[in-house]
Amino acid sequence: EVQLVESGGGLVQPGGSLRLSCSASGFIFSDYAMHWVRQAPGKGLEYVSTVSNNGGTKYYADSVKGRFTISRDNSKNTLSLQMSSLRAEDTAVYYCVRGYYFDDWGQGTLVTVSS
Amino acid sequence: DVVLTQSPLSLPVTLGQSASISCRSSQSLVYSDGNTNLNWFQQRPGQSPRRLIYKVSNRDSGAPDRFSGSGSGTDFTLKISRVEAEDVGVYYCMHGTHWPGTFGQGTRLEIK
Repeated sequence: EVQLVESGGGLVQPGGSLRLSCSASGFIFSDYAMHWVRQAPGKGLEYVSTVSNNGGTKYYADSVKGRFTISRDNSKNTLSLQMSSLRAEDTAVYYCVRGYYFDDWGQGTLVTVSS
Repeated sequence: DVVLTQSPLSLPVTLGQSASISCRSSQSLVYSDGNTNLNWFQQRPGQSPRRLIYKVSNRDSGAPDRFSGSGSGTDFTLKISRVEAEDVGVYYCMHGTHWPGTFGQGTRLEIK
C-alpha cells in the first residue's frame, strides 16, 4: 500500500523559513517523480513544485520560484520542500503527491504564516 | 503558463441524474510524444484529493465506472452518470504537459 506522510508544518512568522518532509513507503520511491501541491483555507488546489525521479529536473510555480526548493533523498525515501521568505499567502495545507500523473496524495501538513 | 478554465463552478444535481464538467485549456495539452497529461481529481469534504481519471480518459481502479473522461487538444470533459450522494465534493482538472502544471478552479457538485 502506498503511503505518503507529510510532516514539518506549523506556525511561522512572515519572512521566516520552514522545511517540509514527506516520508514515502509501499513503492519504489526512486522510480517516481514527486510533487508538492498546496491548498489555502477554503480555496482550490495550487501546483507548487515537481522533482524528477532522480532529482535532476525540478519545476516550480511562479508564485514560489526563488523562495522554495524541492529535493529528494532516494536512499531515505524522503521528499522535502525548503520554504524561505514565507508570506501570509503561503498559508495552506501542503500535500505530497506521487507520480507523473499525480497518482497518490498524502494527508497534508498545515503551514500557517502569521505574526 | 497554461490556464485551465472549468465550467460550471457550481453544479447542483438531482440524485440519479447525470452531470458534466468542462475543462478548457489556453493551449493544446498534447505533448510531443502524443500523450496528453490531463487528469481529473475528486476532493470530498474534509479529505485529500484523489485521482479519478488520468491521461484524459483512463479511469483509476478505485473510481466507479459512473465516471468517464473525454476530450482532446484544449477541450476536456468529466461526466458522471447516475450521481450518488457520495459524489458530493469539488472536482478539479489538472495538466502536467507543459511544466509548471496547473489546476482548474474547481467545480463544486452538490445534491439538489
